[in-house]
Amino acid sequence: EAQVTQNPRYLITVTGKKLTVTCSQNMNHEYMSWYRQDPGLGLRQIYYSMNVEVTDKGDVPEGYKVSRKEKRNFPLILESPSPNQTSLYFCASTPNEKLFFGSGTQLSVL
Amino acid sequence: AQKITQTQPGMFVQEKEAVTLDCTYDTSDQSYGLFWYKQPSSGEMIFLIYQGSYDEQNATEGRYSLNFQKARKSANLVISASQLGDSAMYFCAMREGGRGQNFVFGPGTRLSVLP
Repeated sequence: EAQVTQNPRYLITVTGKKLTVTCSQNMNHEYMSWYRQDPGLGLRQIYYSMNVEVTDKGDVPEGYKVSRKEKRNFPLILESPSPNQTSLYFCASTPNEKLFFGSGTQLSVL
Repeated sequence: AQKITQTQPGMFVQEKEAVTLDCTYDTSDQSYGLFWYKQPSSGEMIFLIYQGSYDEQNATEGRYSLNFQKARKSANLVISASQLGDSAMYFCAMREGGRGQNFVFGPGTRLSVLP
């Protein structure tokens, strides 16, 4: 089944403790991206990647890192999480236009 | 300035009636794409419909149609014959061609279908 898989689904952590949210797609898409969703703001793009080893900042990249060492995986790294990074995070991939989304990761930073 | 504006934070519609969700966008690109996504209470993002900037016909997908008015920079979603299962958050989004594949989303409209 074609899908984008994010893990974990829920994550509670404390300020400053490094964490990684994984994202994997099995559709051989070159483009992958990360978004955060906050009430009243919709989804905002954090980072995107056009291909392996090619990443670029979206609209809200501060406090996040990504890597794209292989086509299928695009992890989101929070080196030192802060409470303002509490949000719902989505990973997505696309072959051209339509975005295929993962099921989301609800992150709470205490 | 917001690139995607959805002026209706919440909407109500009676079951079986049609409803229009508004979306206006701002871009200087000639090539761009417009999308609508549905997010039910379960949280997943469901693709509904796509319109390319060069498409002359309005896009349709079953009960969904996109009313594309390029000169007005609007891309309203029309849902015909509303169903209770249509109650959800709806996001308008744009892919700007000038910045690779930068996707921008609006703040969303929460639609409630009344029985």
